[in-house]
Order: sequence, then structure tokens, then C-alpha cells
Amino acid sequence: DVKVTQSSRYLVKRTGEKVFLECVQDMDHENMFWYRQDPGLGLRLIYFSYDVKMKEKGDIPEGYSVSREKKERFSLILESASTNQTSMYLCASSLWWDEQYFGPGTRLTVT
Amino acid sequence: AQTVTQSQPEMSVQEAETVTLSCTYDTSENNYYLFWYKQPPSRQMILVIRQEAYKQQNATENRFSVNFQKAAKSFSLKISDSQLGDTAMYFCAFRSTGANSKLTFGKGITLSVRP
Repeated sequence: DVKVTQSSRYLVKRTGEKVFLECVQDMDHENMFWYRQDPGLGLRLIYFSYDVKMKEKGDIPEGYSVSREKKERFSLILESASTNQTSMYLCASSLWWDEQYFGPGTRLTVT
Repeated sequence: AQTVTQSQPEMSVQEAETVTLSCTYDTSENNYYLFWYKQPPSRQMILVIRQEAYKQQNATENRFSVNFQKAAKSFSLKISDSQLGDTAMYFCAFRSTGANSKLTFGKGITLSVRP
């Protein structure tokens, strides 16, 4: 079974802090994705990566950056966390452009 | 740009009954993929079913089936013999066939199955 893990289920950070969310997949998938999920808005794509060191902006990249130094790991970085970044963050991976497999999510609260 | 619309935010169904979740989408493409994902409470999102636009036959997976109406750009999910474990958020999603294409999700619908 494909496994996608995220470093934390719950995270509380202060405004202005630098925040790292880590995602690891164990199936050698080329593609990895970061979404945020908000009530009434569904899932919105922040960034995705289709290869090591490659990244593409999604629909809402502002305030975020990403890093993919190894194929299995995709990090989401909030350079200076703000309260409007309080959300559920979901990581996903896929083999080419097939079915996406999701991690359990990280619920981030910025106070 | 493609859009995916799920107009019903919530639905409720009695256990063992059948329920249909609606989804419409907008695209100018002829070939694409459609998906239904399920997100149970506090659990990971999983794929329920997928449909390839060039296939006329509606996809089925056990109790889950779709009604794909390409001309109407409609992609509804039917859940037969509803079970308590079907309680979840359901997301409809669209993906074009182009290279590096992304999934576009609807806003989701919360389905509650009553005992």
C-alpha cells in the first residue's frame, strides 16, 4: 500500500514564525502536491512538484514556498506565518498523473 | 480554466438506502478524467471511483457508481445500500489529459448516514 505521511497532525505556531511542514511518500512517486483545505472552499493547490528540485505554483502560492531535495520528501514552508494561514494542509503524491494518494493532513493554527 | 461545482453542501441518508451526490464541471476539452474522493472524519482522503471521458460506460466500484453525462457536463455519484462507514466528505475532481495537469476539486459535500 502507498503510504504518505506528514510530520505533524496538529501544529500551533505564532504569527511571524517560520513553519515547516514535511511530507514523505514511500512509493517512488514522481509527483507530489500540497493543498490547503478550508470549509466551504474545498481543496486548493498551493504548489506541486513533478521531479526532484522541480516545483510549480498552484492556485494559491502566495505566502508559501516548497522544497524537494529528495524524491520521497516534499516540504511546505511558511516563511512568516500569518493568522490567515490557519488551515488544514494536505500532502499528496502520484505516479505520473494517475490517482493521487493523500496524507492524513496537518491542522495548523497560527495565533 | 476548468471549474467543478458541487452545489449541495450537505446531504443525509438512511442506512441501507441509496443516495446520489451531484457534480457538474466546465471544460472545453474533449478528453479528461473525473474522480470522486472520500474523506472520512479525521481520516485520509481516498479515491472512490474514476471515469475517463472517452469511455461511454459508467464506472462502477461495488456499491459506488457514477452517472456520467458528457454533453451535460455532469458527473454524479450514486451510493447504493448506504452504510454508516460512508459518512464522510465527498469531493468531485477534474483532471485534463495534458502533461503536468492538475486536479481541480469541487468544494465538497458532507454526507451523513443515519442508523
